[in-house]
Amino acid sequence: AQRVTQPEKLLSVFKGAPVELKCNYSYSGSPELFWYVQYSRQRLQLLLRHISRESIKGFTADLNKGETSFHLKKPFAQEEDSAMYYCALSGQGNTPLVFGKGTRLSVIA
Amino acid sequence: DADVTQTPRNRITKTGKRIMLECSQTKGHDRMYWYRQDPGLGLRLIYYSFDVKDINKGEISDGYSVSRQAQAKFSLSLESAIPNQTALYFCATSDWGQGRETQYFGPGTRLLVL
Repeated sequence: AQRVTQPEKLLSVFKGAPVELKCNYSYSGSPELFWYVQYSRQRLQLLLRHISRESIKGFTADLNKGETSFHLKKPFAQEEDSAMYYCALSGQGNTPLVFGKGTRLSVIA
Repeated sequence: DADVTQTPRNRITKTGKRIMLECSQTKGHDRMYWYRQDPGLGLRLIYYSFDVKDINKGEISDGYSVSRQAQAKFSLSLESAIPNQTALYFCATSDWGQGRETQYFGPGTRLLVL
């Protein structure tokens, strides 16, 4: 079964502090992992995907197959990073994306 | 720009009423989805459709039905609304490239059932 776990419902950090949003997954095959972000009163949008190996808005995420993790990191948090973040997994085959329950990031000035 | 749109954006209804939420897309994607979002519960999949002739139940389909009228349209119905269906509902579409998918979301419909 495919499963995504985001252990923190809420994460509060001070502006300028490092941020790490945790995501662990369960999947027997080779997954593709995503981070989606939802700013206040906006739709969910794709933040980044692991196969792109890119940095978006200063965020990066590395797929660690040994630890089955895909943590989202940013060295210096900004107030505009405050949002809801969802980790998602795409397995092979004909199944929809599986989302975690989300982590709300609050960056305090 | 190609987009995913939802109507209405906000809806207040009474217990027992039948309501329909509509989703349209101009992205040309075959796959469409309905989710509900509740605080603390994240996104939960209600129904999904991989093409016009395909309908599949998701995690929480009880009390809901869907209709895929065309590639571009996917409607969600609440046959007899109840207060615990008060939530934010999102439609999404996806492309299926190289055996993987990326989803694109609509702006959401905020539903209040009194």
